[in-house]
Amino acid sequence: AQSVTQLGSHVSVSEGALVLLRCNYSSSVPPYLFWYVQYPNQGLQLLLKYTSAATLVKGINGFEAEFKKSETSFHLTKPSAHMSDAAEYFCAVSGRVYSGGGADGLTFGKGTHLIIQP
Amino acid sequence: DAGITQSPRHKVTETGTPVTLRCHQTENHRYMYWYRQDPGHGLRLIHYSYGVKDTDKGEVSDGYSVSRSKTEDFLLTLESATSSQTSVYFCAISESASGGPTDTQYFGPGTRLTVL
Repeated sequence: AQSVTQLGSHVSVSEGALVLLRCNYSSSVPPYLFWYVQYPNQGLQLLLKYTSAATLVKGINGFEAEFKKSETSFHLTKPSAHMSDAAEYFCAVSGRVYSGGGADGLTFGKGTHLIIQP
Repeated sequence: DAGITQSPRHKVTETGTPVTLRCHQTENHRYMYWYRQDPGHGLRLIHYSYGVKDTDKGEVSDGYSVSRSKTEDFLLTLESATSSQTSVYFCAISESASGGPTDTQYFGPGTRLTVL
C-alpha cells in the first residue's frame, strides 16, 4: 500500500524567500511521485513528476523537487517565492500496477497551503 | 488543456435523493478517475475506469456507483445522498492509453456538491 505524508498543513514565507514543502512517502513498489498545485476554485495542475529518470526534477514556475530514496522524501522547493505562488500544494504517489500495465489512480497527501507574505 | 468538463459545477440537494455527476472528455482517453476532495484529507479515489464498461473501486467507494457506456463520459452516482458526501468532486484522465503509473493525470474543474 502507498501513502504520502505532507508535513505542515500551512507554510508561510516572505516574498523572495526560499519555499520548501515537505513530502514523505511509503510504497511497497518503486514509487512514482507527483506534485500538483491547486489555485482557489480550480482543478489541480501538475507541477512536476518523478519517474526514475533523474532524481532532481525541474517543473513549471521555477519549482523543483529531489527524490531521496534513503529518506523516502520528495520535497518541493523554489529559490524565491512570488505572490502568485500562493496556493494549495499536493504531493501524490502513483497507485498499484496491474498486469496490463495500468495503475489504479493516485494517493494524495493532505495538502499544504502556501502563504506568501509581502 | 485535456478537454475535461464536469457538470453540474455546483449542486445542492437533500439527504436521500439520487445525484449523478458527469465527466466528459473530448480526446478519447482510456483511463478516467473520480476523486473527492475534503479539507484535511486531500483527494481520495472513489472509482476509476479503464475502458467502456470497465470500472473498479477506489479507496472510498462506499455509497457511490459509476458507469461508462461511452469513452467520453464517466458518470458518478450517489444512489441516496448523505451529508457525509458533501464534498468537491474531481474527474481526471490519464494522459496515455496505457494508464501507467508514470502517466500524468489531468483534472477537470470540479463539482461542488452540498447535501443538506
